[in-house]
Amino acid sequence: DAKTTQPTSMDCAEGRAANLPCNHSTISGNEYVYWYRQIHSQGPQYIIHGLKNNETNEMASLIITEDRKSSTLILPHATLRDTAVYYCIVRGPTGGGNKLTFGTGTQLKVEL
Amino acid sequence: GAVVSQHPSRVICKSGTSVKIECRSLDFQATTMFWYRQFPKQSLMLMATSNEGSKATYEQGVEKDKFLINHASLTLSTLTVTSAHPEDSSFYICSAKVTGSGNTIYFGEGSWLTVV
Repeated sequence: DAKTTQPTSMDCAEGRAANLPCNHSTISGNEYVYWYRQIHSQGPQYIIHGLKNNETNEMASLIITEDRKSSTLILPHATLRDTAVYYCIVRGPTGGGNKLTFGTGTQLKVEL
Repeated sequence: GAVVSQHPSRVICKSGTSVKIECRSLDFQATTMFWYRQFPKQSLMLMATSNEGSKATYEQGVEKDKFLINHASLTLSTLTVTSAHPEDSSFYICSAKVTGSGNTIYFGEGSWLTVV
């Protein structure tokens, strides 16, 4: 699976949009981009995933560049409860049990 | 999203004993489950992939005889830490893959193991 690069940490004011970038320049054509977050001492929570098109759900939006070498997770109105480590993971559709390999992620801190 | 439940959420055991952690998919069937370990301030490390009805596939460096994985049904996988040592103290997390629906993987709440 392709590796990803994320900033170590980011800060965001409550109520503002949080834009979390991820670089995955070696992504293959059939690999998806997944986003998870982990709040302290809990299991990771699935947020969203996409292949080529931008995606939106009740939690967030995922913007994938046309060349698919990078993406941005957008939390439109961040709250204090969004403080967590956010992981961007590239994962193939088959093989290896479709396992998820976690990097170091981005520690997002939402402040008043 | 799909629900994955782990039990127990916290367990303390004595050195040399064995402890079992259960992982259940509550509202879906999971042919594949995954076990991770996470030490403080570190990321999740995949230990093994558990396939229903067959032997688990362990990641390099993970002792299969120490971390026994059983996936006897489509909704239950268990991780048994045998002959536990204090260095096995960690946060153990399971996850399960939903067949179809993009093959999304959902995680349990995690289990804290402390070996004393």
